Amino acid sequence: GAVVSQHPSWVICKSGTSVKIECRSLDFQATTMFWYRQFPKQSLMLMATSNEGSKATYEQGVEKDKFLINHASLTLSTLTVTSAHPEDSSFYICSALGQSSYEQYFGPGTRLTVT
Amino acid sequence: GENVEQHPSTLSVQEGDSAVIKCTYSDSASNYFPWYKQELGKGPQLIIDIRSNVGEKKDQRIAVTLNKTAKHFSLHITETQPEDSAVYFCAANSFGSARQLTFGSGTQLTVLP
Repeated sequence: GAVVSQHPSWVICKSGTSVKIECRSLDFQATTMFWYRQFPKQSLMLMATSNEGSKATYEQGVEKDKFLINHASLTLSTLTVTSAHPEDSSFYICSALGQSSYEQYFGPGTRLTVT
Repeated sequence: GENVEQHPSTLSVQEGDSAVIKCTYSDSASNYFPWYKQELGKGPQLIIDIRSNVGEKKDQRIAVTLNKTAKHFSLHITETQPEDSAVYFCAANSFGSARQLTFGSGTQLTVLP
């Protein structure tokens, strides 16, 4: 149980284009999902908290107009990187809050490369 | 907000030996402390967690201890195997409705055959 998937697993896009990443909880409902960013050999940095049916809460320094988050159902949250630039290249990971409201279960991550 | 420090940043052990990774946290209101294992190119995997109402939890070769007074917790892996090689992250929750986690900086564990 507690499986989280992400799609795509990797994506290469041109500078200036937008990319959408999907995060799904496969066998449980998640009212809260989180989006993280991880640079090579570094820890996970929380970007935003996504709550089903409401606006996402962004961490300080994260541009909400650049990283659009939609959590339209209890099993799906999406992150759209708009007008991507090479500095947006990173490993993006989502997690879903388990039913106990403590455990976070992570997806496999999406490697984004902007050329 | 919460601040989590993790040591060591790298750890090499011989197969069969034990490995210990330590973390400290700053927010005395934190009450949930998970440990994650991350293999290269993959997402973190929850391996064990502990809540503040207990001092120790064990799951086969993995154990976690918590000292709330000192605000530190540790991961213990016994009888290490090469497949234990990975990056391990500790985390602590931020007290509040969002249940956000603050992560340590990670420990690269290498188990030498």
